[in-house]
Amino acid sequence: QVQLVQSGAEVKKPGASVKVSCKAAGYTFTGHFIHWVRQAPGQGLEWMGYLSPNHGLTIYAQKFQGRLTMTGDTSISTAYMELNSLRSDDTAMYYCARGDNWYFPFWGRGTLVTVSS
Amino acid sequence: DIQMTQSPSSLSPSMGDRVTITCRATQDLHDSLAWYQQKPGTAPNLLLFGASRLASGVPSRFTGSGSETIYTLTITSVQPEDFATYYCQQYYITPYTFGQGTKLEIK
Repeated sequence: QVQLVQSGAEVKKPGASVKVSCKAAGYTFTGHFIHWVRQAPGQGLEWMGYLSPNHGLTIYAQKFQGRLTMTGDTSISTAYMELNSLRSDDTAMYYCARGDNWYFPFWGRGTLVTVSS
Repeated sequence: DIQMTQSPSSLSPSMGDRVTITCRATQDLHDSLAWYQQKPGTAPNLLLFGASRLASGVPSRFTGSGSETIYTLTITSVQPEDFATYYCQQYYITPYTFGQGTKLEIK
């Protein structure tokens, strides 16, 4: 069955960077885009962008341009999301999700990133 | 960016009630609209896509309808396991955007 296994929780200081991984299993990694969605504590869902593992193509939401990098390693079926210059309002649960025609039937369990001095 | 506005923000139905949640978009989505259910501490779960198509394994009491800029999610008879937060999502154009959520609370 399709699984997306994310890396563990992170605590970072303001200005630092975080890199979250998302290992795919149960399907052909290069056959589907990987999207990243975040959710601040008690808040709604915010789409950040997507990666095409097959081509390395990325599309990012404009608000993250310049701070966000999505990459993939097809040899280990793993996608990565790196966010730089962290601020306190980047504290959130970060989810990876498999895109099927642009909606998301499969999600990872989430990685909590806490930004605190 | 397309703005998605859900209403109401919360609901307190009784078991067995019919519930409707509305999602309004700032432009025509051409049915590129999905609904998700999220329970505390878990990832969202896809309920419907293409405005009205039921995702795999989702009970038939969940139905979706609408067109252009107004879409609805209906639960025909609310069950105990349906108490959660519901989000709409447009995937017509990037940035893909979500509604702010509708919380179904036990009465």
